[in-house]
Amino acid sequence: EPEVTQTPSHQVTQMGQEVILRCVPISNHLYFYWYRQILGQKVEFLVSFYNNEISEKSEIFDDQFSVERPDGSNFTLKIRSTKLEDSAMYFCASRDTSLRYGYTFGSGTRLTVV
Amino acid sequence: QQPVQSPQAVILREGEDAVINCSSSKALYSVHWYRQKHGEAPVFLMILLKGGEQKGHEKISASFNEKKQQSSLYLTASQLSYSGTYFCGTDYTGKLIFGQGTTLQVKP
Repeated sequence: EPEVTQTPSHQVTQMGQEVILRCVPISNHLYFYWYRQILGQKVEFLVSFYNNEISEKSEIFDDQFSVERPDGSNFTLKIRSTKLEDSAMYFCASRDTSLRYGYTFGSGTRLTVV
Repeated sequence: QQPVQSPQAVILREGEDAVINCSSSKALYSVHWYRQKHGEAPVFLMILLKGGEQKGHEKISASFNEKKQQSSLYLTASQLSYSGTYFCGTDYTGKLIFGQGTTLQVKP
């Protein structure tokens, strides 16, 4: 079964450092997303990406965040200068044009900012 | 704008039934249901695209009342494997917004 792959599974970084979280969406999917989940809380939308540009972003997705699709397969989330409150699980998701099969989520990257 | 789920938590014995509700103050055009096990990613269960639609997935089914802007997830004869957090989600403007989640614990 096709899956969304995320690396690394866990990243520890110092406050103020830049991190890049990587995702390989399902190959024939066209819509890509990043979500965040702080421990014990709900899954929050960060950004959606389609046709090589951001479709929509949430209030959380400020100037410290950026996304890129550097080649035909990878989809990255960069946090420029991490803060303690950025500590969370970050999920990448993708879907095809039809919503019939919903969104497929990767297994996540647990980011810990110290 | 996020959908609201109730109850927040449910504890069941194996074999018992549960209902999880999801409502929205905005018009609903579709409702997604996902299950998340601890430390794992949300997993898609089903989507309801039309008002009045009902769907089934093993012993897990859902209904969608577009008029009332509500959806309900039904878990019948629950199994230990049903434990987890259930999220409903609504697809506003091409992005999925989740409810706050309902934690279901099934005990032997």
